[in-house]
Amino acid sequence: RKEVEQDPGPFNVPEGATVAFNCTYSNSASQSFFWYRQDCRKEPKLLMSVYSSGNEDGRFTAQLNRASQYISLLIRDSKLSDSATYLCVVNDRGKLIFGQGTELSVKP
Amino acid sequence: GAVVSQHPSRVICKSGTSVKIECRSLDFQATTMFWYRQFPKQSLMLMATSNEGSKATYEQGVEKDKFLINHASLTLSTLTVTSAHPEDSSFYICSASDRVYEQYFGPGTRLTVT
Repeated sequence: RKEVEQDPGPFNVPEGATVAFNCTYSNSASQSFFWYRQDCRKEPKLLMSVYSSGNEDGRFTAQLNRASQYISLLIRDSKLSDSATYLCVVNDRGKLIFGQGTELSVKP
Repeated sequence: GAVVSQHPSRVICKSGTSVKIECRSLDFQATTMFWYRQFPKQSLMLMATSNEGSKATYEQGVEKDKFLINHASLTLSTLTVTSAHPEDSSFYICSASDRVYEQYFGPGTRLTVT
C-alpha cells in the first residue's frame, strides 16, 4: 500500500465548477498535512496546511479526518488558473511524503 | 516565503559524465536540506536528507556512491550525479528547512543524459 494515495484524475471541469480531491495516508502517527500545487515542469508550491478543525482560504477548503486517515481539498468556483496538479503531502517525522498528484484541468 | 535557488535549471550531459547541482537558501540559514527526484507523471520521491556539516541520510534504494551530497554550509548543498546514465534523467528538486515542519522548494533542475 502506498503511504499517500490520491484520486488518479485527471479531473476536467468547466469554469465555475466545484471540485473535490481526496487523499488517504497509511501512517497513523503522521503529524502534519498539506496540499501543494505543482504546475507543469515547475516545483511544488504550498497551497495550504490541513488541520483537524478544517480550514478555509478563499475558494479553497481543506479537511482532515485523523480517525479515517483521510484528507480532502475542495475548490469552489474553479478558475482557469486553477489548472495544475494537486499534491497531497504528509509530514512523517520531518520527511514530506508526496502523493502521486491529481491533475486538474479547468476549461472555459 | 523564504527563497531557495537551484543551479543549473537545466542540464544535458553525455552518459558517463558527472553533473553537479547546487541548492542555495538565499535569505535564511537552512539547517536541513532535502533532495527529491521526480520522473514524468510521478510524484516527488525523497532521495536524501542532509544536515549541515554531517553526512547525508539516504532513502532506501538510493545509491550514496552515485548521488553524492555535500552540505558544506548553512546556505548551500550540492548533489553530484556521478557517471550519469540515461535512466538518471529526471527532475531534481531540493528543499531547505530551518524548522522541522516547513520546507521551501527550489525551482528544480531538469537533467537529461544522452
